[in-house]
Amino acid sequence: AQKVTQAQTEISVVEKEDVTLDCVYETRDTTYYLFWYKQPPSGELVFLIRRNSFDEQNEISGRYSWNFQKSTSSFNFTITASQVVDSAVYFCALIPFSGGYNKLIFGAGTRLAVHP
Amino acid sequence: EAQVTQNPRYLITVTGKKLTVTCSQNMNHEYMSWYRQDPGLGLRQIYYSMNVEVTDKGDVPEGYKVSRKEKRNFPLILESPSPNQTSLYFCASSWTGIQEKLFFGSGTQLSVL
Repeated sequence: AQKVTQAQTEISVVEKEDVTLDCVYETRDTTYYLFWYKQPPSGELVFLIRRNSFDEQNEISGRYSWNFQKSTSSFNFTITASQVVDSAVYFCALIPFSGGYNKLIFGAGTRLAVHP
Repeated sequence: EAQVTQNPRYLITVTGKKLTVTCSQNMNHEYMSWYRQDPGLGLRQIYYSMNVEVTDKGDVPEGYKVSRKEKRNFPLILESPSPNQTSLYFCASSWTGIQEKLFFGSGTQLSVL
């Protein structure tokens, strides 16, 4: 089975708190891509990051960081010092190699609410 | 400004009345696709197109049609809408394929009564 699980349906934090959004994926493929997309209240999805299965290096971009661990099939996303503008629904997604990279599998999403 | 434009933004219709949701991109992207977003299910791919005149089914194609006669346009057609097609629809595009960064439209909220 190929799937993405975002177990946290909703998270609520107060501004300046750190928050981690979990993503666990399942695939038998050894070659795949992982993504995070953000869906702010305005509705459109915005690309955040792409990681291929051969690159386990963690990445930091400003207040955002991603922890990719193949051993636990996880690709977690951490926001440091959260801000109200971070309030959105965040989707983790998987593209397995099988099928020629034509299948994009989304998780159900995690709704993050950051309160002032 | 580089963008994917969907129209309409909101649409209410009745069962069986054919409708078309338009999608246009101005980035000269080869790849375009349609998704539907339902609560608790994330986004699911309906159809995609690798290039002009090349389209293929995604995970949930039943009840939908698409066409790609020009590179920039990729309309989604519901020939006989049913209430289970009430959903939020997104069009997306990228340079060559789904493994690249996708640019999404603003979405179309469809209600079929």
